Amino acid sequence: AQKVTQAQTEISVVEKEDVTLDCVYETRDTTYYLFWYKQPPSGELVFLIRRNSFDEQNEISGRYSWNFQKSTSSFNFTITASQVVDSAVYFCALSERNTGNQFYFGTGTSLTVIP
Amino acid sequence: NAGVTQTPKFQVLKTGQSMTLQCAQDMNHEYMSWYRQDPGMGLRLIHYSVGAGITDQGEVPNGYNVSRSTTEDFPLRLLSAAPSQTSVYFCASSYSSGTTSTDTQYFGPGTRLTVL
Repeated sequence: AQKVTQAQTEISVVEKEDVTLDCVYETRDTTYYLFWYKQPPSGELVFLIRRNSFDEQNEISGRYSWNFQKSTSSFNFTITASQVVDSAVYFCALSERNTGNQFYFGTGTSLTVIP
Repeated sequence: NAGVTQTPKFQVLKTGQSMTLQCAQDMNHEYMSWYRQDPGMGLRLIHYSVGAGITDQGEVPNGYNVSRSTTEDFPLRLLSAAPSQTSVYFCASSYSSGTTSTDTQYFGPGTRLTVL
C-alpha cells in the first residue's frame, strides 16, 4: 500500500493564480514527520519543509503555506500568486519514528505555471 | 560546505558493464542513502547506511551493492548493468539518532544513468 499519495499527477495554472497540491499519508506510528521537496527542471531536489506529527499548526513562508490535518491524514501545500519559477515537480514524503530508516515518497505532482 | 556531491552527472553503460556512482558529504551526517527516480514512481530507496561500517537494503536493492568505510563517502556499485537500471540516481544524507533518521534528508544533484 502506498504510504504517501499525491493524487494530482499534473496541474497547470495561469500565473498569479493560487494552487494547492494535495498529499495524503498513511501511518500507524504516533510520531512521524512530513516533508515537501521541490524538483525544478534542473533536476535537483530542494527541501521545503519538515513537520512533526505533534505540531498541527499551519505554516506560512512567503507565498508558500502548508496545511497539516491529522484528522484527514493530509499535508497539503498551497502556493499563493503562483509564478513561472514555481514550475517544478513537488514531492511529499513521510518518515516514521519506528521505521525511521526510510523516507516514503509520493509519486510527485508536476506543476506548470503558464505566463 | 559543498553539501552532498555526486559523480558523474551523466553516464552511459552497455549491458553487463560495471561501474560505481560516487557520493560524498561534508556535513558529518551519519545517515546516507541512495534512491532511484523513475518516471511516475517517485523516489525509491535502494540502500542506506546509518554509519560507517553499517549498511542495509531499501525497497529496491537488487543489482546494487554499497559499502560505507568512512562517514563522508557512500558509493553505489552496479556489478552488471541492465537496461532496467536506467534511471536517475540520488544520494542523500541526514543527521541520525542511533539506528534511525527522521531528520531532513539533503540530496545530491543526481546521476543520470543510461544502460544500453
